[in-house]
Amino acid sequence: GAGVSQSPSNKVTEKGKDVELRCDPISGHTALYWYRQSLGQGLEFLIYFQGNSAPDKSGLPSDRFSAERTGGSVSTLTIQRTQQEDSAVYFCASSVRTDLHFGNGTRLTVT
Amino acid sequence: DQQVKQNSPSLSVQEGRISILNCDYTNSMFDYFLWYKKYPAEGPTFLISISSIKDKNEDGRFTVFLNKSAKHLSLHIVPSQPGDSAVYFCAASEEYDAGKSTFGDGTTLTVKP
Repeated sequence: GAGVSQSPSNKVTEKGKDVELRCDPISGHTALYWYRQSLGQGLEFLIYFQGNSAPDKSGLPSDRFSAERTGGSVSTLTIQRTQQEDSAVYFCASSVRTDLHFGNGTRLTVT
Repeated sequence: DQQVKQNSPSLSVQEGRISILNCDYTNSMFDYFLWYKKYPAEGPTFLISISSIKDKNEDGRFTVFLNKSAKHLSLHIVPSQPGDSAVYFCAASEEYDAGKSTFGDGTTLTVKP
């Protein structure tokens, strides 16, 4: 069956450029999360969407990060003016409360 | 302050033996705990969970133990198989909601044939 789909799988960008990461969650999952994993670290919560409610942005590390979820389905995470410390794997997950279903992530490298 | 800690970055065991992965937490509000397994270039996949009303949950070769007084949980895999070689993440959350889980840094398990 279709799982959580993320694109691109890899992205290399120059410092200062903007990037957009896309997530297509499992159909019917109303909750969608973005996490990131820096090298050697655990997963760090970034942002959470639940249905039509206002998103929980409490994990976003700076105002350069933003995310949208259109029509309650596809989500994009945008990082403006990327910095080298933004290099990480960005995971999207959707949920039915009892556990998270993760995509394979987007590996972002900022040079 | 890291609220979920996996103090062993790596663990190596022989095939057929028991693997024990440990996790400690500091936030007493956590009431739902999960283990995820992650292979290279893939996202984490849910393995097993336990709520704070239990002290043990078993699923096949995998058993999770919770010691609330010590704020400690462990994942036992027995018998270990080479296919179990992966990074294991411990996660904890509040209000029995897996979302917004706080993750540990992971333990890399290697099961040697």
